[in-house]
Amino acid sequence: QQQVKQSPQSLIVQKGGISIINCAYENTAFDYFPWYQQFPGKGPALLIAIRPDVSEKKEGRFTISFNKSAKQFSLHIMDSQPGDSATYFCAATTENSGNTPLVFGKGTRLSVIA
Amino acid sequence: DVKVTQSSRYLVKRTGEKVFLECVQDMDHENMFWYRQDPGLGLRLIYFSYDVKMKEKGDIPEGYSVSREKKERFSLILESASTNQTSMYLCASSSQAVPDSGNTIYFGEGSWLTVV
Repeated sequence: QQQVKQSPQSLIVQKGGISIINCAYENTAFDYFPWYQQFPGKGPALLIAIRPDVSEKKEGRFTISFNKSAKQFSLHIMDSQPGDSATYFCAATTENSGNTPLVFGKGTRLSVIA
Repeated sequence: DVKVTQSSRYLVKRTGEKVFLECVQDMDHENMFWYRQDPGLGLRLIYFSYDVKMKEKGDIPEGYSVSREKKERFSLILESASTNQTSMYLCASSSQAVPDSGNTIYFGEGSWLTVV
């Protein structure tokens, strides 16, 4: 049972363009939605996260948009750079239940070409 | 600086061998996790532990076991390795101090296991 659906599986974007990755969840108890970034040969690392009390969170070129009623959230990478080429995972959990593991999407492989 | 260390980066084992993957974290985290990562399947949780000597099954525990004798160390054991266990294995840890930690999971760099 896949609780977090992520799309697309792969994405090619021109340098300077906007990369958009979408995720949808089913469990309405989820209240914490992080995005992880993974470079080849490395483990994933937290990129940015959002809680459902806000509809958008921005950190530099990275923005999460959150739609609670649609149970969807997305990652936007503005002015995409070749250094952003990586695999991105969305995830979700119930934050106040400290022992509940994150549920991850299947990942999106982003390639930013010059 | 946060560190999750997986002792073996690359291993080649024979079918039927017993395999140990070791993981150590230096952040005094209560929670530790083992994931496996395969192309197109993302990160799948094998086992996790929220305390010493405690373990919980994840989504794909079959063929695996774990051991947590000390807070900082979490071992993944393949009792009898099979070719379908060829994969990258990721160890991770997190704090139970919510919301201070924001449920951030810190990953190791992964162990690439090939079973022949």
